[in-house]
Formats: sequence, structure tokens, C-alpha cells
Amino acid sequence: KNEVEQSPQNLTAQEGEFITINCSYSVGISALHWLQQHPGGGIVSLFMLSSGKKKHGRLIATINIQEKHSSLHITASHPRDSAVYICAALNAGKSTFGDGTTLTVKP
Amino acid sequence: GAGVSQSPSNKVTEKGKDVELRCDPISGHTALYWYRQSLGQGLEFLIYFQGNSAPDKSGLPSDRFSAERTGGSVSTLTIQRTQQEDSAVYLCASSLVTGGEQYFGPGTRLTVT
Repeated sequence: KNEVEQSPQNLTAQEGEFITINCSYSVGISALHWLQQHPGGGIVSLFMLSSGKKKHGRLIATINIQEKHSSLHITASHPRDSAVYICAALNAGKSTFGDGTTLTVKP
Repeated sequence: GAGVSQSPSNKVTEKGKDVELRCDPISGHTALYWYRQSLGQGLEFLIYFQGNSAPDKSGLPSDRFSAERTGGSVSTLTIQRTQQEDSAVYLCASSLVTGGEQYFGPGTRLTVT
């Protein structure tokens, strides 16, 4: 069992749908990091959180420390949201990554 | 600079040769990280530096891999006697402090033939 598990592995949605990507971890963390990687593109940090909830535009990230679980939500999804979303459990400077969720949003 | 830069962007080398990959972090960022992403695989932590402290090398896959960070800024990842399984994209990131938001470079695509 991986120390960081993401689900689903692949997700296809219609434009406008509400998207949820889940991340469960079994390691101790100082923070949970959500990253976005577009096909052939670089990696962008979306959120880093250690408690509660953060919101940026249409993206929302939540974390439940007791349950060792985090979710990334995308409201009103758009084709440009199509990318791989990766969660990482951060312990000081060392990250353990999930395998990523490939999101495809169809127009 | 405006962001994290890495060079070269692409490197093709023959099996058994040594390679050096360079990372220029964002000015003022004290923490620097190296990661590897093999084709079709997830991200893998290699090493991180925080200021003048000893680096955390726990992710380096073998003793053929080493990294240094000079003057608390530029970092070089060296792979000796490259093997085909070393082929991957090597990514560098930096953050203002350890545990802070990380900014990623564009990566170096290494191909070992």
C-alpha cells in the first residue's frame, strides 16, 4: 500500500461539473501539497495546507488531519482544468507523492 | 530571476557517462529540492537542502547520485556512470523556507542511450 493514495486515478467530466479528487496518507505530515501538471507542461503548486480549508478561485482544498485525508474540489470545471493533479505529503522538506489523478474535462 | 531555472533542458548521454544537471532557485529562497519523474511514473523525492544545514539525501537511489549547493544558491545534481534506468525528467524546486510553497523549474529531460 502506498503511503499516499489518490482517487480516482482517472476522471472524465463534462464542462461545468463539480470535481472532487481525494488523497489519503499514512505518514506523518507537516503539510499537504496539491500540485497541477498540464500535459507536456511544468508543475504548479496549487495549495499547501496543514489544517482546515483553502480557496483560490474555483479551486478548494480541504484537509482532515485526524482522518489523514484531503480533498481537492473544482467548481464549474472547464476544459482548461484538464491536467494531472498530484497530492504530496510533506514532512519538513521531504515529500511523498501520490500517483496523480488525470482529469479530462470535455466541452 | 523570475522563477526557478534548470539547465540543460534536454540531455542525451551514453550509458556509463557522468552528467551534471543545474538548478538556479528563486533568489532568496533558502530551501531547494530535487525530484525525479520517470516516464509514466509519479514524482520521486531525491534530496533537499535547507540553508547551511546538512542536506536530506534519503531519496537518492544509489551512491552514483550526488548533489551540492554552493553559496546557498545554485545546485548541481550529478549522476555518475549513468544507466538506462536513470532516464527521466529531473525537477528542481525552491521555497522561501522549508515546508513553504514550492516553485518548480521546467525540468531537465535526461535520456541515457
